[in-house]
Amino acid sequence: DTAVSQTPKYLVTQMGNDKSIKCEQNLGHDTMYWYKQDSKKFLKIMFSYNNKELIINETVPNRFSPKSPDKAHLNLHINSLELGDSAVYFCASSQVRPGQGLGAQYFGPGTRLLVL
Amino acid sequence: DAKTTQPNSMESNEEEPVHLPCNHSTISGTDYIHWYRQLPSQGPEYVIHGLTSNVNNRMASLAIAEDRKSSTLILHRATLRDAAVYYCILSRSWGKLQFGAGTQVVVTP
Repeated sequence: DTAVSQTPKYLVTQMGNDKSIKCEQNLGHDTMYWYKQDSKKFLKIMFSYNNKELIINETVPNRFSPKSPDKAHLNLHINSLELGDSAVYFCASSQVRPGQGLGAQYFGPGTRLLVL
Repeated sequence: DAKTTQPNSMESNEEEPVHLPCNHSTISGTDYIHWYRQLPSQGPEYVIHGLTSNVNNRMASLAIAEDRKSSTLILHRATLRDAAVYYCILSRSWGKLQFGAGTQVVVTP
């Protein structure tokens, strides 16, 4: 059983296009995240949602818009794709327990986006 | 956010222990110490985390210095499957993990 799944696994598209990446978790967690890993392999958090509410929004261009239809899903829509958006995008989820710090985050397999 | 310093790479022989150091001299009292690893072409995988006391789980042990300015991740018996990039991360903000460059662990048969 896949805990955190992402679709598609690979995405090749032209500059200027709009694309979406979907993420689903079946762990019953209340918090979900999007991370970006660039060509230098640095992982950076982009967004986090807790119970469908945005709680972390790092300095990300507003071309990136996350949407959480329910606690188990967090999608990422990207408008007007640019060459610099080429990266691997990882979704993750966790269950936050007040007073116990940040629990384990479970990551999906990643979506490899290539913008031509 | 407080930063961590890790060696770029470490090499180990199979079935020997691996001790991965992490310095975090600017750690605050509420920072948890997290370790994740990333195997090639996969998403990061949670390894262990702790606050003040040493922690053990089925994957590894985490030894935290008394002043909390450093910690060591211990893989008791390295296998080829343990070859990965290991990240030491401090978490202060709720839900936020700031990944650094990590330590590339190479396991030699």
